[in-house]
Amino acid sequence: GQSLEQPSEVTAVEGAIVQINCTYQTSGFYGLSWYQQHDGGAPTFLSYNGLDGLEETGRFSSFLSRSDSYGYLLLQELQMKDSASYFCAPSLGNSGNTPLVFGKGTRLSVIA
Amino acid sequence: DAGVIQSPRHEVTEMGQEVTLRCKPISGHNSLFWYRQTMMRGLELLIYFNNNVPIDDSGMPEDRFSAKMPNASFSTLKIQPSEPRDSAVYFCAGGLGVGDEQFFGPGTRLTVL
Repeated sequence: GQSLEQPSEVTAVEGAIVQINCTYQTSGFYGLSWYQQHDGGAPTFLSYNGLDGLEETGRFSSFLSRSDSYGYLLLQELQMKDSASYFCAPSLGNSGNTPLVFGKGTRLSVIA
Repeated sequence: DAGVIQSPRHEVTEMGQEVTLRCKPISGHNSLFWYRQTMMRGLELLIYFNNNVPIDDSGMPEDRFSAKMPNASFSTLKIQPSEPRDSAVYFCAGGLGVGDEQFFGPGTRLTVL
């Protein structure tokens, strides 16, 4: 079967660094995406890992280890506006023609 | 481009009524997805289309749900008859390909009384 796990809630202090972990189990895997969703808003794309390693985009970085079926999103220099839900969304197939799987996401609260 | 357009943004209806949600994807996007989001179940994929053809509707919860994509610029999700447990935010999203970055619409918040 398929499973996707990430923490339901994380709280961090403004200016700090926070890591949101994601583990998945699936018979097929193509890549891992991360999306951000503010309250009342729509999910928006943050990053994609197709290969093992770290991808950096400004204050955000995303990491993937295929052998461990594991990835994480790293947010640095946290700002209040980073308070949102974050979804890891694996593509659970063996090609780029497999849709993403979202779950319940991780709700990040940034406090002063 | 105005992005993905969904209508209505809010819908309040009574149990048993028919509900039709509409989506206009970004021009040139070949894949279109319908999602439902609730606190209990998170963001669930209901159905997706590729080049206007329905590929997988295994996420559609019941026969009360149906979706169409008559052309590349328009899709509908219909619930008939609606039930209170259908209350959720419904998102439409599109992308260049099935596994590519998805662009979400603002969503339709549906409340069934």
